[in-house]
Amino acid sequence: EADIYQTPRYLVIGTGKKITLECSQTMGHDKMYWYQQDPGMELHLIHYSYGVNSTEKGDLSSESTVSRIRTEHFPLTLESARPSHTSQYLCASHDTKNTGELFFGEGSRLTVL
Amino acid sequence: AQRVTQPEKLLSVFKGAPVELKCNYSYSGSPELFWYVQYSRQRLQLLLRHISRESIKGFTADLNKGETSFHLKKPFAQEEDSAMYYCALKEGFQKLVFGTGTRLLVSP
Repeated sequence: EADIYQTPRYLVIGTGKKITLECSQTMGHDKMYWYQQDPGMELHLIHYSYGVNSTEKGDLSSESTVSRIRTEHFPLTLESARPSHTSQYLCASHDTKNTGELFFGEGSRLTVL
Repeated sequence: AQRVTQPEKLLSVFKGAPVELKCNYSYSGSPELFWYVQYSRQRLQLLLRHISRESIKGFTADLNKGETSFHLKKPFAQEEDSAMYYCALKEGFQKLVFGTGTRLLVSP
């Protein structure tokens, strides 16, 4: 089934740990995005990709990094997590060829102690 | 500069009342505008697009280029409409830019 998947859904880790949030889509979309959703529910674009080997930083500065080695996979990595990284991270895939719709994953809620 | 503005963080209405969620944008080209909705414990999902001119769940939104607005309207709010609503702007071939969101609360 065509969808977009994020793992883990919830993660609680200690300061200084390295974490990777996984995002995979089976819709064949070239464009993918990572948003950070803060407690007030505002969405901030932190990374995006136009396709394989393409990654760009978004509007909100983030200490995270991303990679896009395969079309379907767009993982986000934090080398050394801090409490300020506690947030909800949303991955999205962009259907630019048809409706222009963004399809969102269920999100990964990260808590750094 | 804010390209998509949603002036209300919270809009609280009673069931059956009309609803208007405001969205203003700033873009020099031909904009593509969307409304996304996030119900409690659900994914963020597309509600409607201005180019399709459709009504979804009783909601409509008209693009007003003169006022650079794309307000979301529903004549009679239902409790199940309670959710977070985001206006979004697609700038040419670029990424989608979201507003800060408006929480709609419909009380019985």
